[in-house]
Amino acid sequence: EVQLVESGGGLVPPGGSLRLSCAASGFTFSSYRMNWVRQAPGKGLEWVSYISSSSSSIYYADSVKGRFTISRDNAKNSLYLQMNSLRAEDTAVYYCASGNGGRWGQGSLVTVSS
Amino acid sequence: DVVMTQSPLSLPVTLGQPASISCRSSQGLVHSDGNTYLTWFQQRPGQSPRRLIYKVSNRDSGVPDRFSGSGSGTDFTLKISRVEAEDVGIYYCMQGTHWPWTFGQGTKVEIK
Repeated sequence: EVQLVESGGGLVPPGGSLRLSCAASGFTFSSYRMNWVRQAPGKGLEWVSYISSSSSSIYYADSVKGRFTISRDNAKNSLYLQMNSLRAEDTAVYYCASGNGGRWGQGSLVTVSS
Repeated sequence: DVVMTQSPLSLPVTLGQPASISCRSSQGLVHSDGNTYLTWFQQRPGQSPRRLIYKVSNRDSGVPDRFSGSGSGTDFTLKISRVEAEDVGIYYCMQGTHWPWTFGQGTKVEIK
């Protein structure tokens, strides 16, 4: 069964850092492009970042560029999102999603507040 | 950035009746590889999004055939031929042709 499981969310003060992880199973992770997508409370979906299967291509939304870093470890079937200089407007559920959204995790809540 | 505009934003539907959601993009969505990366997602209350349709009209495995996608250029449509209770939720279109990928605002489908 295909599974994506996010972890690492929590409460962090403005200006703080957090690292999200996404553990993949049930498919050949190393062959898939991956994304992070977020959803602020009561709001719609916002694409955050993309990484190709070999990490050779990486893209970010303007809202997180320079503050967030996406990475992956194909040997560990894992995707990561390092989030620095967090702001209140980064508060959201963060989902990892494979390919162009074929599979999604359950999400990890990040709350930025003092 | 490509702006995706959905309408309506709220769609009350009678069980067993059809429903249609429009998604318009501010730019054409044909990729240089010839594909049109227009995707539809369903998000049921309290759940993660689920992909229904990819590349305009391709239904994902396990998606009931009452869901269909169509369109071209900048104008796309998701249709539900006969709405069932389990179809309640928010539907999003997304373009994956141009960076950054962008979503529509979402259309909330509810039962009358």
